[in-house]
Amino acid sequence: KAGVTQTPRYLIKTRGQQVTLSCSPISGHRSVSWYQQTPGQGLQFLFEYFSETQRNKGNFPGRFSGRQFSNSRSEMNVSTLELGDSALYLCASSSETASYNEQFFGPGTRLTVL
Amino acid sequence: KQEVTQIPAALSVPEGENLVLNCSFTDSAIYNLQWFRQDPGKGLTSLLLIQSSQREQTSGRLNASLDKSSGRSTLYIAASQPGDSATYLCARGSGDKLTFGTGTRLAVRP
Repeated sequence: KAGVTQTPRYLIKTRGQQVTLSCSPISGHRSVSWYQQTPGQGLQFLFEYFSETQRNKGNFPGRFSGRQFSNSRSEMNVSTLELGDSALYLCASSSETASYNEQFFGPGTRLTVL
Repeated sequence: KQEVTQIPAALSVPEGENLVLNCSFTDSAIYNLQWFRQDPGKGLTSLLLIQSSQREQTSGRLNASLDKSSGRSTLYIAASQPGDSATYLCARGSGDKLTFGTGTRLAVRP
């Protein structure tokens, strides 16, 4: 069974631009969660999607948004990029509710904002 | 505030040593506690998941325990190897999301 895949793996953008990251969950998994990891803040929850609906949202500004498609693939968008958005963005999938079930993580997308 | 704390922040041990990593959380109303391993610049690898109704889980040289009443979980690594060198993260599942600790960076010296 293929694991969670994320594309692209690395991305360099400049301030003010926008970026879209993609996540394909494990086959059969319906929940996709997104996390931001930085050296200063650690791993922070962004949002969770389940069956195309955003179920939970972390404490991030509205510049961070996401969506989930009918095949459970998910995208995350960050608009008007700031230097502080430089981070490793991780997505995780689980069969059902993220907080109830084991989560499996992808390799992450390393975003650098210049 | 729901917090997850991991102690120690960093640990260096000689190969072959048994070791314990600690994770404490402030809210005992959890669904589960999950331990992950992260290699530098990489994603997270799930090691063990303990449901709230369980006391411990074992996988190979790893054993994780959960004490909800005291808000603590421990990850025991037996006979450590240089390949165990990584950052170990615990995460509490409760309410609507996983909340992660800050991690313990482990170095196993040959």
